Amino acid sequence: DVKVTQSSRYLVKRTGEKVFLECVQDMDHENMFWYRQDPGLGLRLIYFSYDVKMKEKGDIPEGYSVSREKKERFSLILESASTNQTSMYLCASSPRTPPLHFGNGTRLTVT
Amino acid sequence: AQKVTQAQTEISVVEKEDVTLDCVYETRDTTYYLFWYKQPPSGELVFLIRRNSFDEQNEISGRYSWNFQKSTSSFNFTITASQVVDSAVYFCALSRHGGSQGNLIFGKGTKLSVKP
Repeated sequence: DVKVTQSSRYLVKRTGEKVFLECVQDMDHENMFWYRQDPGLGLRLIYFSYDVKMKEKGDIPEGYSVSREKKERFSLILESASTNQTSMYLCASSPRTPPLHFGNGTRLTVT
Repeated sequence: AQKVTQAQTEISVVEKEDVTLDCVYETRDTTYYLFWYKQPPSGELVFLIRRNSFDEQNEISGRYSWNFQKSTSSFNFTITASQVVDSAVYFCALSRHGGSQGNLIFGKGTKLSVKP
């Protein structure tokens, strides 16, 4: 079975902090994704990567950056956390053709 | 523009009832994929099914069935004889760019509550 592991299940940070969300997959998938899930808005794509050191903006990249130095690891970075970034963050991976396989999510609260 | 619409925000049924979750999509791609995911209260999104645009055959898996109709741009999901364990949020999704790069657009989800 595909395993996508997100480093934290719950995270509480203060406004202005730099926040790192880590994601690791064990299936040698080319593609990795970061989505954000909010009530009433569904899942929205922040960034994705289709190869090491490659990244593409999704629908809502503002305030975020990403890093993919190794194929199995995809990090989401909040340069200066703000309260409107309080959300559930979902990492996923896939081969060239979907489906996506998701991790358990990180619930981030910014106070 | 590509879009996925799940018009039903919440549905509540009693155990053993049949229930259909609607999904309507918009795309100009001739090749694309459609998906359904389940998100139980634990939070993890579980992949249920993938359909490609060239395969309009209905699919059945146990109590689950899917009806794909290109003519109406719909990909509906039916649960027969629902059970309490079916309670979850269900998401319909569409591949962007014909399926290259694995990028998906999700609907806003339908919350299904199955009461004993």
